[in-house]
Amino acid sequence: EAAVTQSPRNKVTVTGGNVTLSCRQTNSHNYMYWYRQDTGHGLRLIHYSYGAGNLQIGDVPDGYKATRTTQEDFFLLLELASPSQTSLYFCASRTGYEQYFGPGTRLTVL
Amino acid sequence: KTQVEQSPQSLVVRQGENCVLQCNYSVTPDNHLRWFKQDTGKGLVSLTVLVDQKDKTSNGRYSATLDKDAKHSTLHITATLLDDTATYICVVGASTNTGKLTFGDGTVLTVKP
Repeated sequence: EAAVTQSPRNKVTVTGGNVTLSCRQTNSHNYMYWYRQDTGHGLRLIHYSYGAGNLQIGDVPDGYKATRTTQEDFFLLLELASPSQTSLYFCASRTGYEQYFGPGTRLTVL
Repeated sequence: KTQVEQSPQSLVVRQGENCVLQCNYSVTPDNHLRWFKQDTGKGLVSLTVLVDQKDKTSNGRYSATLDKDAKHSTLHITATLLDDTATYICVVGASTNTGKLTFGDGTVLTVKP
């Protein structure tokens, strides 16, 4: 079974704060993804990557940076967090057309 | 315009009853369609994936159909259990190398005793 882990699982910060969400996959999958999930919207793609050092822009990238440091690790950075970024964030890795999702990080920006 | 529309938005059934969830989409291309189950505040668990032009799958009490001509899929849950209470999400995958997915908003299913 593919494994994707995320940390922290919960995070509270203030407006303007600096936040880093971490994702690790132990599956040697090339592709990794960051999504956000909000009530009234399906999951929306923020950024994705097809390998270490690579970054592709998703559908809702504004206010987010991402970095893929290794095959295993993909980070999502919010450098000036805003209340509109309060959401449930999911990371995923992919092989073929199977995507494996992490357990999610709940971020609250006050 | 919503590219993946699920209906109903919410559904309440009694334990033991059957139910059917619908998914209509306009995503092109439509390489595959997957149904996920999501417990409240938790991650997504894949139930089944449909690939063929007219496809049917079965996974225990879950069965699904796909008609790519109609761009329509159904998820059937037989003999519902209390643990089936969750949000069921329809996801369409395009035939690109990026693996980008288009998600529906989900159907919230509540199973009551």
